[in-house]
Amino acid sequence: GAVVSQHPSRVICKSGTSVKIECRSLDFQATTMFWYRQFPKQSLMLMATSNEGSKATYEQGVEKDKFLINHASLTLSTLTVTSAHPEDSSFYICSARDFSTAGGKHEQYFGPGTRLTVT
Amino acid sequence: QKEVEQDPGPLSVPEGAIVSLNCTYSNSAFQYFMWYRQYSRKGPELLMYTYSSGNKEDGRFTAQVDKSSKYISLFIRDSQPSDSATYLCAMVYNQGGKLIFGQGTELSVKP
Repeated sequence: GAVVSQHPSRVICKSGTSVKIECRSLDFQATTMFWYRQFPKQSLMLMATSNEGSKATYEQGVEKDKFLINHASLTLSTLTVTSAHPEDSSFYICSARDFSTAGGKHEQYFGPGTRLTVT
Repeated sequence: QKEVEQDPGPLSVPEGAIVSLNCTYSNSAFQYFMWYRQYSRKGPELLMYTYSSGNKEDGRFTAQVDKSSKYISLFIRDSQPSDSATYLCAMVYNQGGKLIFGQGTELSVKP
């Protein structure tokens, strides 16, 4: 149980285009999903917290108009990188919190990540 | 000062060794503690979740929490080459769900 999927796993796009990344909780409901960015040899950097049915909360320094987040259902959140530039190239990872199990309020399960390359 | 400190390594051990990974934290408000394993180019995988001081064992893994010293550890017994990965500690405050991560320790287990 507690499986989170991401699609696509890898994407290459041209500078100026937009890219959408999907994050799904496959076997549990996730009222809260999180989006992270990770650079090589570094830890995860939280970008935003996504709550189902409401606007995402962005971390300081993250441009909300550039990184659009939509959490339309209890099992799906999307991250759209708009007008992508080479500096947006990174590994993007989502996670979801499982509220269904006892004591599960603080456990987060991560997706496999999406590698974005902007040329 | 970072809220969570973790030695990035790299740490190299021979197969079969006992591995000790550690994190310290500065804020006593942290109540829940997790260890994640991340293979290269993959998402983190939850290994252990604890919320009280003491030890929690799961197979070859033991998570230890010492809240009085603000110190957590992950022990790996009989380490295997397949344990080679980056290990991230993470913790969360009582009220919110935002994980605060350590920098991650890169572990290599040599055959």
